[in-house]
Amino acid sequence: DAMVIQNPRYQVTQFGKPVTLSCSQTLNHNVMYWYQQKSSQAPKLLFHYYDKDFNNEADTPDNFQSRRPNTSFCFLDIRSPGLGDAAMYLCATSRDRGQWDEQYFGPGTRLTVT
Amino acid sequence: AQTVTQSQPEMSVQEAETVTLSCTYDTSENNYYLFWYKQPPSRQMILVIRQEAYKQQNATENRFSVNFQKAAKSFSLKISDSQLGDTAMYFCAFMTPQGGSEKLVFGKGTKLTVNP
Repeated sequence: DAMVIQNPRYQVTQFGKPVTLSCSQTLNHNVMYWYQQKSSQAPKLLFHYYDKDFNNEADTPDNFQSRRPNTSFCFLDIRSPGLGDAAMYLCATSRDRGQWDEQYFGPGTRLTVT
Repeated sequence: AQTVTQSQPEMSVQEAETVTLSCTYDTSENNYYLFWYKQPPSRQMILVIRQEAYKQQNATENRFSVNFQKAAKSFSLKISDSQLGDTAMYFCAFMTPQGGSEKLVFGKGTKLTVNP
């Protein structure tokens, strides 16, 4: 089945130690999104890619970066994780822009910062 | 800025009964879409139902239906004949164009428990 895959499902990192979360998709969608979801809060968009075009949200900290080496893969890099970065990170895709399509979500990676 | 408010952090319902989840939103846009997403425990978020703002007719998907009141900026979800598998977090979301792509703004969610 076509899907959005996130690895790992659970990630523990130390305060200040860089960490990378990965997302892959078999849907061949042009748009990929990264959301941060803290406990009991709404998912919050960090940034998205339309193809190779990177779009950062204005309030996304500089500590968060992303790479999309090809259509299928997208990575979330946290350069120096702080305790406040502990959250569920959701990857999502949509077919194309201008289509008002639903977004397809992965199962998320739960990040713990010790 | 667009905001989405879900005023019910938690709700419960008996199996086979009907439950309504509330959602209000704030926007100055005239063209937008509204969504309800379901996030079961430890599983990915999936789309339940969507509504185009320009359509007056309320969307329906099997046991799920919405009551869309554009003037009141209200978008509630009704689940009929509730099933145990409906237990999940439900997120109301508003979609608006931004930077050439569409951006989803979520509410904080309502945790629904269906009791046997």
